[in-house]
Amino acid sequence: GDSVTQMEGPVTLSEEAFLTINCTYTATGYPSLFWYVQYPGEGLQLLLKATKADDKGSNKGFEATYRKETTSFHLEKGSVQVSDSAVYFCALGNNNDMRFGAGTRLTVKP
Amino acid sequence: EAGVAQSPRYKIIEKRQSVAFWCNPISGHATLYWYQQILGQGPKLLIQFQNNGVVDDSQLPKDRFSAERLKGVDSTLKIQPAKLEDSAVYLCASSIRRRQETQYFGPGTRLLVL
Repeated sequence: GDSVTQMEGPVTLSEEAFLTINCTYTATGYPSLFWYVQYPGEGLQLLLKATKADDKGSNKGFEATYRKETTSFHLEKGSVQVSDSAVYFCALGNNNDMRFGAGTRLTVKP
Repeated sequence: EAGVAQSPRYKIIEKRQSVAFWCNPISGHATLYWYQQILGQGPKLLIQFQNNGVVDDSQLPKDRFSAERLKGVDSTLKIQPAKLEDSAVYLCASSIRRRQETQYFGPGTRLLVL
């Protein structure tokens, strides 16, 4: 069945460092791919999404490109801030189903 | 646009007691989901409603969990009797129609079973 595998954490970075969180997937057909973010004590919020191959989703300085050839949707940000500290979930939507990765905790230190 | 509302935000009960959670989805969203999120894990779907009908409850422990969505709007999730392993955050989400679309999450209810 469909599945999502994302980079294990936790990830700790200094402010203004470059961020990459890896996400790969297995799916049949043409899934949509998502990154959700969960701040402490809150529910998940959609960060960005891409619905077809080569699409780039972007929001708040974060970017991810839907790569069908490598079945990947890695999350990147050029310069992280303390306020980006949260748990990030990669997700795959396909065939009336949504699968979430286990989450990667990011801590950004000043 | 108002987001997904959930209450209560926190609940502490003893094992074998019962508890109920409430969710009001975004207006106009036909599909409503209840997820269980155990600490350190991703959300696990418990049940999905399309309007007031159940679409998928394959991972709902039906011996103790029940859910309803009367009138196709708000929903309640009940646990009776609770077990220690039910300690988790219960997330409600909604989407316009299908599960593979963007889902919008409420803040969650954090349950601690002692």
